[in-house]
Amino acid sequence: DADVTQTPRNRITKTGKRIMLECSQTKGHDRMYWYRQDPGLGLRLIYYSFDVKDINKGEISDGYSVSRQAQAKFSLSLESAIPNQTALYFCATSDSALTGRNSYNEQFFGPGTRLTVL
Amino acid sequence: AQKVTQAQTEISVVEKEDVTLDCVYETRDTTYYLFWYKQPPSGELVFLIRRNSFDEQNEISGRYSWNFQKSTSSFNFTITASQVVDSAVYFCALCNTNTGNQFYFGTGTSLTVIP
Repeated sequence: DADVTQTPRNRITKTGKRIMLECSQTKGHDRMYWYRQDPGLGLRLIYYSFDVKDINKGEISDGYSVSRQAQAKFSLSLESAIPNQTALYFCATSDSALTGRNSYNEQFFGPGTRLTVL
Repeated sequence: AQKVTQAQTEISVVEKEDVTLDCVYETRDTTYYLFWYKQPPSGELVFLIRRNSFDEQNEISGRYSWNFQKSTSSFNFTITASQVVDSAVYFCALCNTNTGNQFYFGTGTSLTVIP
């Protein structure tokens, strides 16, 4: 089974609808991230969480919100989807346990969710 | 400001040729981390390497090698004797504490290896 899972894998929705993308991990990592990928723009960070009570805005958080329901779960919500939120969304996790809070280890990515807003 | 530049948008090489993917970064921090990831056509992101700013040793892993030069703020990636399976988009990324613990990715280089 995959260590980082995302649901749904694909979603088509209409402008104005509320959408939730879910991410779960079995790696036991403390840090979780949400990114979006757009052609020609690479990956851009939306939100990140270093533990259940620590949530931070990333580079492009406007129009998004998140919830860290448990160490293993990190959800991304679009309260009112708009067409320019059409993108590939990735969840990622990383572990600070062995190297300390000020160290940055590789991120492990989920398979991605392809979201289309019509 | 934190920034990662991958100036090569697309590269095509013939199988067995060597290819170097460039990565130039900007940061004011003295402690930072650099990463390379591979995204094959299937879409998943695969971690390749992590390097911290205090470790300037170049690294070789099979056909892959990385050249980290702080003097030019570059962290270039070379594939030797390229293979069709190397066809993918490759991303370079930067992270340090002064960015608020954020990761900054470059825009990626799409590599096509022609058989």
